Amino acid sequence: GQQLNQSPQSMFIQEGEDVSMNCTSSSIFNTWLWYKQDPGEGPVLLIALYKAGELTSNGRLTAQFGITRKDSFLNISASIPSDVGIYFCAGPNQMGGSNYKLTFGKGTLLTVNP
Amino acid sequence: NAGVTQTPKFQVLKTGQSMTLQCAQDMNHNSMYWYRQDPGMGLRLIYYSASEGTTDKGEVPNGYNVSRLNKREFSLRLESAAPSQTSVYFCASTGTGDNYGYTFGSGTRLTVV
Repeated sequence: GQQLNQSPQSMFIQEGEDVSMNCTSSSIFNTWLWYKQDPGEGPVLLIALYKAGELTSNGRLTAQFGITRKDSFLNISASIPSDVGIYFCAGPNQMGGSNYKLTFGKGTLLTVNP
Repeated sequence: NAGVTQTPKFQVLKTGQSMTLQCAQDMNHNSMYWYRQDPGMGLRLIYYSASEGTTDKGEVPNGYNVSRLNKREFSLRLESAAPSQTSVYFCASTGTGDNYGYTFGSGTRLTVV
């Protein structure tokens, strides 16, 4: 099946620094998603990208859908302590009709030192 | 609005015991999913239900069964728990036209000793 490779696996940064993480795939996705998981909680959708080359922002977060449709990156500017968590990329696999299932990367664990 | 509710939040089982993880959503979503999360492995799909009355295997279905009881509820059953099933289990749901946005529950942390 399709696999998503996320890097880096973990990051330790100081508050105020910018963060960049990326995700690559062995095959094409028509949609890229970025989720964040706070400690002890389920993942929550941050940004969805639907078009190759698309650049989308959500507050301090910016994500891009790669031109080849096989990669995406997520940037966080001016990090704050509440940015701590695991960030996942994900892509949908169609199952027929409007049904689909998401494949997730293994995640990037972000630690922010105040 | 509760979203996706999972019970229990924590559970310890002995090897060979059985249990059912419960999941319910109140958003009238058609599709529901069970994932497990293990360190360094990300989220792996166990089973899913595209609509009421249908269920299908995901990436790691061995040792599990599921029941889509009605549109709201999707349960995951371990018939004979094994230490390899120690994990955090997440239920998720999505509706048609949600543009791939899953809503996740807060998880069940299961330890099998």
